[in-house]
Amino acid sequence: TQLLEQSPQFLSIQEGENLTVYCNSSSVFSSLQWYRQEPGEGPVLLVTVVTGGEVKKLKRLTFQFGDARKDSSLHITAAQPGDTGLYLCAGGGTSYGKLTFGQGTILTVHP
Amino acid sequence: NAGVTQTPKFQVLKTGQSMTLQCAQDMNHEYMSWYRQDPGMGLRLIHYSVGAGITDQGEVPNGYNVSRSTTEDFPLRLLSAAPSQTSVYFCASSFGQLPSGNTIYFGEGSWLTVV
Repeated sequence: TQLLEQSPQFLSIQEGENLTVYCNSSSVFSSLQWYRQEPGEGPVLLVTVVTGGEVKKLKRLTFQFGDARKDSSLHITAAQPGDTGLYLCAGGGTSYGKLTFGQGTILTVHP
Repeated sequence: NAGVTQTPKFQVLKTGQSMTLQCAQDMNHEYMSWYRQDPGMGLRLIHYSVGAGITDQGEVPNGYNVSRSTTEDFPLRLLSAAPSQTSVYFCASSFGQLPSGNTIYFGEGSWLTVV
């Protein structure tokens, strides 16, 4: 069974601060996805990374896939209250339906 | 543009009762799946389907049945509800297979409480 350890579980910061969320595994994944989930809604895909060492940027969000494709990070620059939510990483295997999710990081950004 | 539609949104069941969570998508996606989300555990895969007539078990399939008679619908059946099945259930669909980077679309969730 593939496991994804996500840290930290909770993050409470002030507006304007930077933060990084980590997603680590002992297993190799074919792809790694990051989702954001608002209360009462389903997860919404932010990004997919598929190549070891890949870096993708989405406005103030920077996503990185580890060289060995076992870990990933999400970095948010100058966090805003609108960034508040649950962030989930999910690793994909070689076949559909085998997404493995991390436990999630609850981010709260205070004005 | 409905996307992935789940019903009901909320349900309370008594232990031992059966029920079906409905999921429909209007994007002609081949791949559909059901996840459950519990506090501190992320989402866990229950069952998935790669096309009409084809289903397979995920990580936590016990106590649940699925069928896929059409491309659009993928219902999840709880045979005899147990308190351990209290959770939020999400249906998801995708056009293609990972790791091609195809977007997976999730429904809004079904909150189930078993008492």
